[in-house]
Amino acid sequence: KNQVEQSPQSLIILEGKNCTLQCNYTVSPFSNLRWYKQDTGRGPVSLTIMTFSENTKSNGRYTATLDADTKQSSLHITASQLSDSASYICVVSAMAAGNKLTFGGGTRVLVKP
Amino acid sequence: DGGITQSPKYLFRKEGQNVTLSCEQNLNHDAMYWYRQDPGQGLRLIYYSQIVNDFQKGDIAEGYSVSREKKESFPLTVTSAQKNPTAFYLCASSIEGLSGANVLTFGAGSRLTVL
Repeated sequence: KNQVEQSPQSLIILEGKNCTLQCNYTVSPFSNLRWYKQDTGRGPVSLTIMTFSENTKSNGRYTATLDADTKQSSLHITASQLSDSASYICVVSAMAAGNKLTFGGGTRVLVKP
Repeated sequence: DGGITQSPKYLFRKEGQNVTLSCEQNLNHDAMYWYRQDPGQGLRLIYYSQIVNDFQKGDIAEGYSVSREKKESFPLTVTSAQKNPTAFYLCASSIEGLSGANVLTFGAGSRLTVL
């Protein structure tokens, strides 16, 4: 069964600090992995999409890494800002008919001043 | 300003009632999707449509129905057969089907509460 597990479930960090979110998946065969940011009461917004051959991809202060061998990804937030308070969702796509997406449960990040 | 518009943002339903959630997009995307989001869980696919007048069931289609009469519109009806409808519903679209690395664009969501 395809699964995506994210950790931690939630974390609190001080403004200006860095943090790293983890995503482990068992989706096979792997097609791509996406990170989304979801503000409270809003729809998710895409941060990055990574394919099998990509190890690192950055989007401003967000840097995603992918290790396709260990089936792990991380999202690093540098110099956090109050606006980074949101849920971060890891989504993995399987290379199969319909290319279904499997969503992780998300990590809720709260940045405090 | 291109995007996806969902309405209403908040909806209350009495048990036994059907309700319809609206989803409209002006992105000229072929594919549209409905997801359900429950606290602490990943999004689950209810229905999706890759072309007008065609749609497929997702993982949790029971108790839901959709139509795709126009490219821009993909309304979701939550019927009385859905036993636990209280949730946050997200509509999304993409240029084409889920193959490849197509980015999903999401609406702002509709929160349905059953009284």
